Amino acid sequence: QKEVEQNSGPLSVPEGAIASLNCTYSDRGSQSFFWYRQYSGKSPELIMSIYSNGDKEDGRFTAQLNKASQYVSLLIRDSQPSDSATYLCAVLDSNYQLIWGAGTKLIIKP
Amino acid sequence: ETGVTQTPRHLVMGMTNKKSLKCEQHLGHNAMYWYKQSAKKPLELMFVYSLEERVENNSVPSRFSPECPNSSHLFLHLHTLQPEDSALYLCASSQEWGGAGGLNEQFFGPGTRLTVL
Repeated sequence: QKEVEQNSGPLSVPEGAIASLNCTYSDRGSQSFFWYRQYSGKSPELIMSIYSNGDKEDGRFTAQLNKASQYVSLLIRDSQPSDSATYLCAVLDSNYQLIWGAGTKLIIKP
Repeated sequence: ETGVTQTPRHLVMGMTNKKSLKCEQHLGHNAMYWYKQSAKKPLELMFVYSLEERVENNSVPSRFSPECPNSSHLFLHLHTLQPEDSALYLCASSQEWGGAGGLNEQFFGPGTRLTVL
């Protein structure tokens, strides 16, 4: 059974600090990696995609991928209260199936 | 707005009712998906359609019946549901199904909050 693991949280971070969210996956042949943000009562929203090892930056967000260690992370710099949400990690496995983590709840404290 | 719409946004139904959920995407995508999201659980993929053909059916009970009349529209027909079917039902679309990289980026509709009494 292919799995994507995330710490459910809640992860509490002071406003202005860096929030670090982590995700591990079991299928070594996984192809593509996605981070979604989901506000309470809303649907998931794609915020970052990463396909190769290393870092990818987009504004305050940085996705980091390490295929050898089978983890992907999301860093949020200068955290804002509006970043408070559940962050879902999704991994496209070697069979092109998208496997979802259960999400990490992030709380940014003013 | 992601370009994916769903109706209705909220639905309350009895166990003997029949209802349908509707999804429409305006992105020109070829793949559409139905997901179920229950509290504190990962998203559960229910059905996948690619170019109007069903390509995935993840052991979903027959009381859920999908229909994809064209690449822009997707329906989920519901009948004789159980209280445990109460959840958020999400529709998503992607450019392709089974491709690599950005072709698989999925865009979600706002969801239908279903309550079964």
